[in-house]
Amino acid sequence: QLQLQESGPGLVKPSETLSLTCTVSGGSITSSSYYWGWIRQPPGKGLEWIATIYYSGRTHYNPSLSSRATIYVDTSRNQFSLKLNSLTAADTAMYYCARHGARSNGFRELDYWGQGTLVTVSS
Amino acid sequence: EIVLTQSPGTLSLSPGERATLSCRASQSVSKNYLAWYQQKPGQAPRLLIYDASSRATGIPDRFSGSGSGTDFTLSISRVEPEDFAVYYCQQYDSSPDTFGQGTKLEI
Repeated sequence: QLQLQESGPGLVKPSETLSLTCTVSGGSITSSSYYWGWIRQPPGKGLEWIATIYYSGRTHYNPSLSSRATIYVDTSRNQFSLKLNSLTAADTAMYYCARHGARSNGFRELDYWGQGTLVTVSS
Repeated sequence: EIVLTQSPGTLSLSPGERATLSCRASQSVSKNYLAWYQQKPGQAPRLLIYDASSRATGIPDRFSGSGSGTDFTLSISRVEPEDFAVYYCQQYDSSPDTFGQGTKLEI
């Protein structure tokens, strides 16, 4: 059974950089059939796609966050990670990692999700 | 980007009733690249429907999806107590992937 587990700090100061890692178990991150992504959800609000990566390193970003976000993959550890810089209170959210299906020219629905990690931006 | 608008914002029903949730896109979603997710309090979203009408693995057949172009619907034939949750639609046709704002199904 595939499992995804997020890890990272629960509290980050404004203007600092957030670093999150998603560890994938029960399956290989190098499968050609999948992409791997990050999605966030502010408290009491809806879902926002942040970024997605293929095991080869090909990346896709939401333009609203692309100037501050970096996604990368470590195939040796079966992990992928997100860095988000210049944090403000508006970045306070539950951050989820998830798996996308792949299609011929990109990625598809999100079929497996981690449980999420709550990140609070506050001094 | 494609904006998804879900209606109603809240749907109040009793167990056993039929639920109909709507998702309207600001422009056509090609190849029906639209998914529906269920989210319960304190949990991650769960995939219900992909490609507008295909049920994900393990999803009961009381859940069904339909629609094309700009108008999509998630139906629950007979709502069970465990179905009370928030439902989101998502399009993965064009980047950026976007989600609707959600419909809360309440008792």
